[in-house]
Amino acid sequence: SQTIHQWPATLVQPVGSPLSLECTVEGTSNPNLYWYRQAAGRGLQLLFYSVGIGQISSEVPQNLSASRPQDRQFILSSKKLLLSDSGFYLCAWRRGVGEQYFGPGTRLTVT
Amino acid sequence: AQTVTQSQPEMSVQEAETVTLSCTYDTSENNYYLFWYKQPPSRQMILVIRQEAYKQQNATENRFSVNFQKAAKSFSLKISDSQLGDTAMYFCAFMSSNFGNEKLTFGTGTRLTIIP
Repeated sequence: SQTIHQWPATLVQPVGSPLSLECTVEGTSNPNLYWYRQAAGRGLQLLFYSVGIGQISSEVPQNLSASRPQDRQFILSSKKLLLSDSGFYLCAWRRGVGEQYFGPGTRLTVT
Repeated sequence: AQTVTQSQPEMSVQEAETVTLSCTYDTSENNYYLFWYKQPPSRQMILVIRQEAYKQQNATENRFSVNFQKAAKSFSLKISDSQLGDTAMYFCAFMSSNFGNEKLTFGTGTRLTIIP
């Protein structure tokens, strides 16, 4: 069966520090992968999606970047965090046509 | 661009009762998918039910069913025999059927509380 992992589960970082969040999927190959952000009390907003290694599409211009160094690995990064980067970050993968399943998420607090 | 609107920020219902959550959306596409996701306090997003726009029959998953009105662009979720474990945020979401653009557009959510 397929599973999706995210780490860390929680992170507290000072403004201006770098960020690296990791997402990996098991039990499937060449999945479409997605990064979403959920601000407090809001719905999810798509940040990036990837259809293959090295292929990244950005939905929202911002302080963040994404990379896909391996088939089942998707990384969200920032060189310098802003207070507005605080939120809950969810990784998702496409299991089939019109189906997305989510990981457990990472709660990021920028202080 | 597609938009999804959930007009009920919060709802509460007694255990074992039936509750209906509302969702409307706006799109110019003819083929698409609609979803209801549940986000419990753990905050993991759980797929509850999925509807394909080209199917007229409403989707059903155990106690969860939808009322899909394509012409009205309405997609409500009915939870029957509600249970305490149904307490969560519920998000309605839209996805285009165009391959390569399968991003989900979410509503702002409805916080549902089941009262024992």
